[in-house]
Amino acid sequence: GENVEQHPSTLSVQEGDSAVIKCTYSDSASNYFPWYKQELGKRPQLIIDIRSNVGEKKDQRIAVTLNKTAKHFSLHITETQPEDSAVYFCAPLWGKLTFGQGTILTVHP
Amino acid sequence: DSGVTQTPKHLITATGQRVTLRCSPRSGDLSVYWYQQSLDQGLQFLIQYYNGEERAKGNILERFSAQQFPDLHSELNLSSLELGDSALYFCASSVALDSKGGNTIYFGEGSWLTVV
Repeated sequence: GENVEQHPSTLSVQEGDSAVIKCTYSDSASNYFPWYKQELGKRPQLIIDIRSNVGEKKDQRIAVTLNKTAKHFSLHITETQPEDSAVYFCAPLWGKLTFGQGTILTVHP
Repeated sequence: DSGVTQTPKHLITATGQRVTLRCSPRSGDLSVYWYQQSLDQGLQFLIQYYNGEERAKGNILERFSAQQFPDLHSELNLSSLELGDSALYFCASSVALDSKGGNTIYFGEGSWLTVV
């Protein structure tokens, strides 16, 4: 079956540091790679996405990089702030309705 | 505001009871998805409807059922409730059948279900 793995499962950084979360997938047919952010008790929200014809996309402090050959894509957050603390989900197999297990990011002031 | 509306926001009910969760998708969206999120759990896909028809089924219990009506709103019915059914239930919607064309999915605020 399809597999989606996120690493790390938890990530703790100091304010101002960078954070990187990696998502590995198995379905080579995937062509859309979104990242969702979910704050405690709230709905997941799309924060950035990338399509397979692009290797990198940046939006202010967040960026996503894609390696289709290796079947992984990563979320990069620079200059982290306490409000970045949340659970982050990748969903590379959205066509198959599969989310990663989530990464809990904690940014310490 | 994502445009996806879920009701009720909170619900407390007893074991053995039945509840119905309601979802109105974003205007123009044909796909509706239901997800369950228990404490410290990820997003577990339950079921998807597209334009009134069931299109995909995940780990949905036989005690649960759903439907999508002609006006595209959807209902998730949970019966013979057990303590373990306590969770946050999300509805989400998108324009297309899946995201392989890059169609974004939008989530509602969720319905908190507590079974006591």
